[in-house]
Amino acid sequence: DIVMTQSPDSLAVSLGERATINCKSSQPILDSSNNKNSLAWYQQKPGQPPRLLIYWASVRESRVPDRFSGGGSGTDFTLTISSLQAEDVAVYFCHQYYTDIRTFGHGTRVEI
Amino acid sequence: QVQLVESGGGVVQPGRSLRLSCEASRFTFSIYGMHWVRQAPGKGLEWVAFISYDGSNQYYIDSVKGRFTISRDDSRDTLYLQMNSLRPDDTAVYYCAKDLYSRRSTPCPVNVWGQGTTVTVSS
Repeated sequence: DIVMTQSPDSLAVSLGERATINCKSSQPILDSSNNKNSLAWYQQKPGQPPRLLIYWASVRESRVPDRFSGGGSGTDFTLTISSLQAEDVAVYFCHQYYTDIRTFGHGTRVEI
Repeated sequence: QVQLVESGGGVVQPGRSLRLSCEASRFTFSIYGMHWVRQAPGKGLEWVAFISYDGSNQYYIDSVKGRFTISRDDSRDTLYLQMNSLRPDDTAVYYCAKDLYSRRSTPCPVNVWGQGTTVTVSS
């Protein structure tokens, strides 16, 4: 199975500052059919289910604020929150859907 | 908007069985692949199982193979997870979730999640 390793485990950022979360896959996750990386990012707030933010490593889901962006390729990926807002306090998970057996990173907690 | 509502969770003794259901509404259930994902208390997300839109393919995480069965009833717009030989480490909130794309033969991201149902395995 593909192992997804996130860093850091937690991150404290001031309001309005940038937050960057890293995710590394144990093998490449490039879908050769569309030349896109099979990587998604989810946000989870306490007591709520996850919410899809980014897929194909950099495509923002509808209604997701543009302060959220995804990047990276090969085995190294990032989620960036360009200007942290109070409502962004949450745990963020990366997720590979390259293989039929899906895996998630362990999560990164973002705090103010 | 698209809705997924899980039910069937509860407290069960080790070795017993439980069947979870997920009722879908406000989208054409029969053309989407569906998943079960779980989250142990205070832990991260763990993908559990997938069934393709036409039911022809099912995949499972190793730890539940042979014990859990994912199935669907398109006439009822409902997804199921039959869980047998339950163990304490199966204790979690179980979410059902749908594929982003319809009629997909290759993996794609999950875009909608239910609120989850809690399963506690304890003697």
